[in-house]
Amino acid sequence: RKEVEQDPGPFNVPEGATVAFNCTYSNSASQSFFWYRQDCRKEPKLLMSVYSSGNEDGRFTAQLNRASQYISLLIRDSKLSDSATYLCVVNLNTGGFKTIFGAGTRLFVKA
Amino acid sequence: GAGVSQSPSNKVTEKGKDVELRCDPISGHTALYWYRQRLGQGLEFLIYFQGNSAPDKSGLPSDRFSAERTGESVSTLTIQRTQQEDSAVYLCASSKGDYQPQHFGDGTRLSIL
Repeated sequence: RKEVEQDPGPFNVPEGATVAFNCTYSNSASQSFFWYRQDCRKEPKLLMSVYSSGNEDGRFTAQLNRASQYISLLIRDSKLSDSATYLCVVNLNTGGFKTIFGAGTRLFVKA
Repeated sequence: GAGVSQSPSNKVTEKGKDVELRCDPISGHTALYWYRQRLGQGLEFLIYFQGNSAPDKSGLPSDRFSAERTGESVSTLTIQRTQQEDSAVYLCASSKGDYQPQHFGDGTRLSIL
């Protein structure tokens, strides 16, 4: 089992739809969590940090469920410009620092 | 403020040559990371530096790969005797510390002929 797993998709949704991605992690020593977006042939860019209390930034909401060991990203009112690959990142302490990127979930938003 | 800077942006070289890639982290960022991303694939962790601690080299794929960083400044990733499977985008990131978000450079696109 991979330490961090994401549904690769692709998710194909119409404009205006709500879409949710999950990212599961296997190690309970995980300490911090982030979502990134990566456009084709570009570098990953930080989208938002993920906290246990949940956090929202405009149309984007991130949640952490420590008991079930997953993080989620919800995108409301999808725009064409949201089309990208969404990567989750888990940082953990296994006697030393370790960072793991998920393989990413591809999203296509269509008119 | 300046972001993470990588050079060169593109590098084309012949199989068997050595290449050196450079990364300038964001000023004040103590942690620096190198990743490899092959076309259509996810990020592959290569190496991590944190301050003056010993680097985590666990992701380096072979002894042809090495990286250096002096203090909290510039890092270089060197690939010796390049092979065609080394063709990829090499991404560098830096962060204020462990468990903080990473900020990426534009990457170096390496093509081995």
